[in-house]
Amino acid sequence: DIQMTQSPSSLSASVGDRVTITCRASQSISSYLNWYQQKPGKAPKLLIYAASSLQSGVPSRFSGSGSGTDFTLTISSLQPEDFATYYCQQSYSTKITFGQGTRLEIK
Amino acid sequence: QITLKESGPTLVKPTQTLTLTCTFSGFSLSTSGVGVGWIRQPPGKALEWLALIYWNDDKRYSPSLKSRLTITKDTSKNQVVLTMTNMDPVDTATYYCAHRHLAVAGTVYDYWGQGTLVTVSS
Repeated sequence: DIQMTQSPSSLSASVGDRVTITCRASQSISSYLNWYQQKPGKAPKLLIYAASSLQSGVPSRFSGSGSGTDFTLTISSLQPEDFATYYCQQSYSTKITFGQGTRLEIK
Repeated sequence: QITLKESGPTLVKPTQTLTLTCTFSGFSLSTSGVGVGWIRQPPGKALEWLALIYWNDDKRYSPSLKSRLTITKDTSKNQVVLTMTNMDPVDTATYYCAHRHLAVAGTVYDYWGQGTLVTVSS
């Protein structure tokens, strides 16, 4: 299995801050990396696919970058509705795997 | 508009078999490229992918759970069914079904059901 490791596990930030979350794969996955946002009691929501493509309807303050083994999700200016848990997911293998999640909290 | 909804028991006993149904609308599982998957999430923990079925009946399973899982589809009813045998308390989780993103290579899920919480307890 391809292991996905996110850092940090949790993060405190303020509205308006620029935030970066990192995801590392245990082997090269090219650009087959996706990011989801999950709020308590809700299903995950796709934000970014193929490392840097913004899913339709997602605000442009979200962006993704990286290739190979190292990837980042950046929120350029945090909004109150962005406080949630974020998961990366590799789609290089048909047996997909998720990171352990990064919980973004209000400072 | 694509929607998916999971249904099944909320409580199962250890060693029993769990059967979950995903009923969807807005797409057809007879269309080339379409897939529906199952993902679960234990309370307070991360997401774990379980299985995926494609329009052509090709199936993929999580290696760690493969021996316990079966995924099937009923195209006429717009349903996908997941069965998991020999349930254990560690299988307590919210179970989601999701639609595979058609415009993206690889397995990416762009629409998700609301999830159904399954508790395993005697």
